[in-house]
Amino acid sequence: EVQLVQSGAEVRKPGESLKISCTTSGYSFADYWIVWVRQMPGKGLESMGVIWPGDSETRYSPAFQDQVTFSADTSINTAYLHWNTLRASDTATYYCARQPGGDAFDFWGQGTLVTVSS
Amino acid sequence: LVLTQSPGTLSLSPGERATLLCRASQRLGSGYFGWYQQKPGQAPRLLIYSASYRAPGIPDRFIGTGSGTDYTLTISSLEPEDFAVYYCQHYGGSQFTFGPGTKVEIK
Repeated sequence: EVQLVQSGAEVRKPGESLKISCTTSGYSFADYWIVWVRQMPGKGLESMGVIWPGDSETRYSPAFQDQVTFSADTSINTAYLHWNTLRASDTATYYCARQPGGDAFDFWGQGTLVTVSS
Repeated sequence: LVLTQSPGTLSLSPGERATLLCRASQRLGSGYFGWYQQKPGQAPRLLIYSASYRAPGIPDRFIGTGSGTDYTLTISSLEPEDFAVYYCQHYGGSQFTFGPGTKVEIK
């Protein structure tokens, strides 16, 4: 059974750093894109970009370029989303999802709520 | 690319037919178009891919059609569990665009 399990909710202050995780199981982690999706409170879905865990190739959506960093550890089948400097506007729920090459996002994590507040 | 969904909210009763529209600002390859359902507090779920193919486990009351710039998701007879927000998506290349969503609510 394919599963993507994300780390728990986080509360941080502006200016702090954060890394959240997406641990996968039930398939070959290195052979599927992982996509990250942001959903701000009460809003729609925004694709942040993708990572290919096999070689850590990353592609960022323009709005998120230089704002976040994707990484992956194939030894533990886990993808990460990292912020160096959080802002209040980063408050959102973040989802990871699996993308079979070039296809729709077929399996999703449960989401991680990130709250950034002073 | 901009995806526009209409209507923003659809108020219907169980058993009724729902028709959700998604219009793209440019012609799309229909092989790269999908629909997702999201219920409050839950992650999105893939319903339709390649414009018209149901994802595994999706009931056949969910029907996707369309090509070019116009795509439609039809729910032939609404079940209580179908009241949710529905997003269309283009996933061609490395840029993925979602529509703003249509909320299907109980009338």
